[in-house]
Amino acid sequence: EPEVTQTPSHQVTQMGQEVILRCVPISNHLYFYWYRQILGQKVEFLVSFYNNEISEKSEIFDDQFSVERPDGSNFTLKIRSTKLEDSAMYFCASSALAGGSTDTQYFGPGTRLTVL
Amino acid sequence: AQSVTQLDSHVSVSEGTPVLLRCNYSSSYSPSLFWYVQHPNKGLQLLLKYTSAATLVKGINGFEAEFKKSETSFHLTKPSAHMSDAAEYFCVVRGSNDYKLSFGAGTTVTVRA
Repeated sequence: EPEVTQTPSHQVTQMGQEVILRCVPISNHLYFYWYRQILGQKVEFLVSFYNNEISEKSEIFDDQFSVERPDGSNFTLKIRSTKLEDSAMYFCASSALAGGSTDTQYFGPGTRLTVL
Repeated sequence: AQSVTQLDSHVSVSEGTPVLLRCNYSSSYSPSLFWYVQHPNKGLQLLLKYTSAATLVKGINGFEAEFKKSETSFHLTKPSAHMSDAAEYFCVVRGSNDYKLSFGAGTTVTVRA
């Protein structure tokens, strides 16, 4: 069964450093998403991406964050200058469609980011 | 805006007994509702979804949920718990015009032998 994969599973970085989290969505999916879960808090939406553009983003997704689909298979989330409060589990998801009754978002296993 | 409230942060059941996880939603429009499960060190797996068809939705692993508009609820049930059901369960809503999913806080299920 096709699945979303994410690398690395755990990333440790120093405050102020740049990190790139990588995701490989399901191959025939067109819509891509990032969510995060700070320890003890709800899973929160960050951004959705379609046709090489951001289609929706949350207030959390400020200028420190960027997303990119550098090739036909990868989808990345970059944090330019990490802060302690960026420590969280980051989930990538993909869907064949966006919205509507047939849309389902499929999630990867997550990358745990720890900022020291 | 859409939101969900999971009424129990932790549910403990004995193996073979029924499981009930409660979820209430708030949505301005006809919502799509989902239950996802997360086993330790695994990704979020879709259990089932409601998308305005039948109000009783059957999912994987014997789970089902009933959409009750009058009560704004979408409770998840399973008639007989198995040890493998121990996990974190998330009730999720998406508005009809939204890309994003809005998650509940999660319910941790433990299953006693």
